[in-house]
Amino acid sequence: SQQGEEDPQALSIQEGENATMNCSYKTSINNLQWYRQNSGRGLVHLILIRSNEREKHSGRLRVTLDTSKKSSSLLITASRAADTASYFCATDSVGKSTFGDGTTLTVKP
Amino acid sequence: NAGVTQTPKFQVLKTGQSMTLQCAQDMNHEYMSWYRQDPGMGLRLIHYSVGAGITDQGEVPNGYNVSRSTTEDFPLRLLSAAPSQTSVYFCASSWLGGGLDLETQYFGPGTRLLVL
Repeated sequence: SQQGEEDPQALSIQEGENATMNCSYKTSINNLQWYRQNSGRGLVHLILIRSNEREKHSGRLRVTLDTSKKSSSLLITASRAADTASYFCATDSVGKSTFGDGTTLTVKP
Repeated sequence: NAGVTQTPKFQVLKTGQSMTLQCAQDMNHEYMSWYRQDPGMGLRLIHYSVGAGITDQGEVPNGYNVSRSTTEDFPLRLLSAAPSQTSVYFCASSWLGGGLDLETQYFGPGTRLLVL
């Protein structure tokens, strides 16, 4: 069964708006990573956050991690049409990485 | 650097046939893994390796074999293909931190497999 679950399953916004995606997981983790997948392509790494970190930034991306609630969020600010993709969280524990089913983000120009 | 390469890009098999999906990386990563992705779903871990000569099962290992004779290569073998193995297969590699912590995983472009 999947460890991570993303919410919402699908999100549609206008260009320039912010997009927030959430990830919940069940067991303790070492790291949590967010990936982007454009249709039919391989996954591209966005951010890695370790279990002892609470927040990380990378350009227009902000990731938070709350280990007490076993949840993480990915915020994309000032979205662009090129951000249209599926976004996955992956929880890492002792050499195994478990992916959720993803959030499909559509950014309308 | 080529990163992670996979061959073939697309393959059609008949039920019962066997084949090997190739994966290679040129980043000297200790960790390599195979995932399958079914339509509308996330990736599920098939097998992984933390170094040459060391492999272990993931979430969905049945019907697949792996070996890791070199750091660079991690082939995935389908023993007797079934229609349920129709999927997109991704190979990935990564550095390992202390305590088998995964660092950034780099993914190959995928192999689309259709089993008739």
